[in-house]
Amino acid sequence: VMTQSPDSLAVSLGERATINCKSSQSVFYSSDNKNYLAWYQQKSGQPPKVLIYWASTRESGVPDRFTGSGSGTDFTLTISSLQAEDVAIYYCQQYYSSVSITFGQGTRLEIK
Amino acid sequence: QVHLVQSGGGVVQPGRSLRLSCAASGFSFGSYAMHWVRQAPGKGLEWVAVIYHDGSNEHYTASVKGRFTISRDNSKNTLSLQMNSLGVDDTAVYYCARGGTTGNWLDPWGQGVLVTVSS
Repeated sequence: VMTQSPDSLAVSLGERATINCKSSQSVFYSSDNKNYLAWYQQKSGQPPKVLIYWASTRESGVPDRFTGSGSGTDFTLTISSLQAEDVAIYYCQQYYSSVSITFGQGTRLEIK
Repeated sequence: QVHLVQSGGGVVQPGRSLRLSCAASGFSFGSYAMHWVRQAPGKGLEWVAVIYHDGSNEHYTASVKGRFTISRDNSKNTLSLQMNSLGVDDTAVYYCARGGTTGNWLDPWGQGVLVTVSS
């Protein structure tokens, strides 16, 4: 089970936004030293878009204000300086299991 | 350009069937696992099913096991989801998505199709 906090968040433009994701089981594989965790952004009316994979690898084209961190069971997505276009719902996802994947419940990010 | 184009959504009565399709282009389709993910109105993302790159294995979320069948035709770069015995709880936008070769993050996603189960 993936649990995100908070469920919703309002941040002023230019300020930092932090979203947390906690897994009920470790998603770290010691054999390859990787955390099997991704972050997605879903804007209204659009499919999700991957931002981060391997917990901290930024997808090509994703602005560097998006940073993923954490290991094992606790992860964080940080947006360093919130822009208007970052209003969206953010999801974490584990792909540690070979037979299923699991998403967090989502965090709604708005402008204060 | 990597692209997934979906078709097949619509309104269906409870207990009936529907088939979704996902046409892939711009990448070596037969090299990637493919997934279906759904999103009920106003709700979060729910993974539905995965099929391995060569079609050798499939896995489903518990709520659709025995009712839904994922399949692929690598010669036609096409992914399908056959949905039988549909219930109102299956109402959702359904997305197809490409898994990775080394890890199953999903990228890209199809545009999504709405399936509404209603009498």
